[in-house]
Amino acid sequence: AQSVSQHNHHVILSEAASLELGCNYSYGGTVNLFWYVQYPGQHLQLLLKYFSGDPLVKGIKGFEAEFIKSKFSFNLRKPSVQWSDTAEYFCAVNAHGNKLVFGAGTILRVKS
Amino acid sequence: EAGVVQSPRYKIIEKKQPVAFWCNPISGHNTLYWYLQNLGQGPELLIRYENEEAVDDSQLPKDRFSAERLKGVDSTLKIQPAELGDSAVYLCASSFENTEAFFGQGTRLTVV
Repeated sequence: AQSVSQHNHHVILSEAASLELGCNYSYGGTVNLFWYVQYPGQHLQLLLKYFSGDPLVKGIKGFEAEFIKSKFSFNLRKPSVQWSDTAEYFCAVNAHGNKLVFGAGTILRVKS
Repeated sequence: EAGVVQSPRYKIIEKKQPVAFWCNPISGHNTLYWYLQNLGQGPELLIRYENEEAVDDSQLPKDRFSAERLKGVDSTLKIQPAELGDSAVYLCASSFENTEAFFGQGTRLTVV
């Protein structure tokens, strides 16, 4: 069965610090990969996605993620975080035709 | 474009009572998901529909949970009878051809 691991449950950063959130998945076949964000009081929103092609994916609000197939990883990065990036971030994997499986989430708090 | 609409947003019921949640997906989306999200955890799939057909309900506790998606559009999720452990956020999402999922605001259920 698919599984998704997010390495850190809580991350605290100061504004302008760089961010990297780890995500590893267990499925060995072809996958679609996603990062979702949930801002306080809001619903889950898509941050970025990878289906095929360039393994470096650009998303909204300056976020990017890199798919490394050999490491089964899809880490999320942002060079300089802002206070408004405070949210919970979820990595998700869909093995083509299978269900969309989420990681446990990482709560990011950015100190102003 | 209207997003995924769920109702109610909040529901408080006594244990052993029935409860139902409703979801209206994005127009044209053939895939509909119901997820359960406990505090501090990622969403966990309960059931996935392709049009009217439930194609993955392996995680749905069928002794008390039921779902339907008549005419392949709206969906309802029912719990009868509810237990204290059912307190959680119930999320509905939809997608087209199993690509990225769009989520509703969720229904926060409290069983007392």
